[in-house]
Amino acid sequence: SQTIHQWPATLVQPVGSPLSLECTVEGTSNPNLYWYRQAAGRGLQLLFYSVGIGQISSEVPQNLSASRPQDRQFILSSKKLLLSDSGFYLCAWSVAGANTGELFFGEGSRLTVL
Amino acid sequence: GENVEQHPSTLSVQEGDSAVIKCTYSDSASNYFPWYKQELGKGPQLIIDIRSNVGEKKDQRIAVTLNKTAKHFSLHITETQPEDSAVYFCAASKSTYKYIFGTGTRLKVLA
Repeated sequence: SQTIHQWPATLVQPVGSPLSLECTVEGTSNPNLYWYRQAAGRGLQLLFYSVGIGQISSEVPQNLSASRPQDRQFILSSKKLLLSDSGFYLCAWSVAGANTGELFFGEGSRLTVL
Repeated sequence: GENVEQHPSTLSVQEGDSAVIKCTYSDSASNYFPWYKQELGKGPQLIIDIRSNVGEKKDQRIAVTLNKTAKHFSLHITETQPEDSAVYFCAASKSTYKYIFGTGTRLKVLA
């Protein structure tokens, strides 16, 4: 069966510090991968998606970046965090090639920037 | 731009009563409408979905209805139980890469 792992689960970082959130998927090949952010009282905002290794599409211009160094690994990074980067970050995957279909979410990473 | 409006933002019901959450979407090209349930501190999980060629779909106590003309879709939960308490998100999509989510409804089922 397929599983998705995301870490760390929580982190508190000072403004201006770097960020690295990691996500891996097991049990499937060539998944579509996503990073979403969930701010308090708001919906899920798509940040990045990837359809293959090294292929990253950005939906929202900001100081975050994403990378996909391996087929089932997706990393969210920042060189210098802002207060506004605080939120709940969710990694997700979906079956490649499906026009629409289920998103499978990880457990999330809660980031607090102080 | 494309958006999905979701109402209400909070909903409290007595155990055993029904709950209804409504969403309206703007992009008439949307053809897939999933509903996700998010429990505290966890990622959302799909509970039911509907495609644009279907008007209604049921799965035990959960049903979704779609009105393409009005661009409305709704989630219906009957015989609510305490474990139904969670945040529910609707979404509209015309592509796997572009889900537009609503802002969520916090459902509380009172025992």
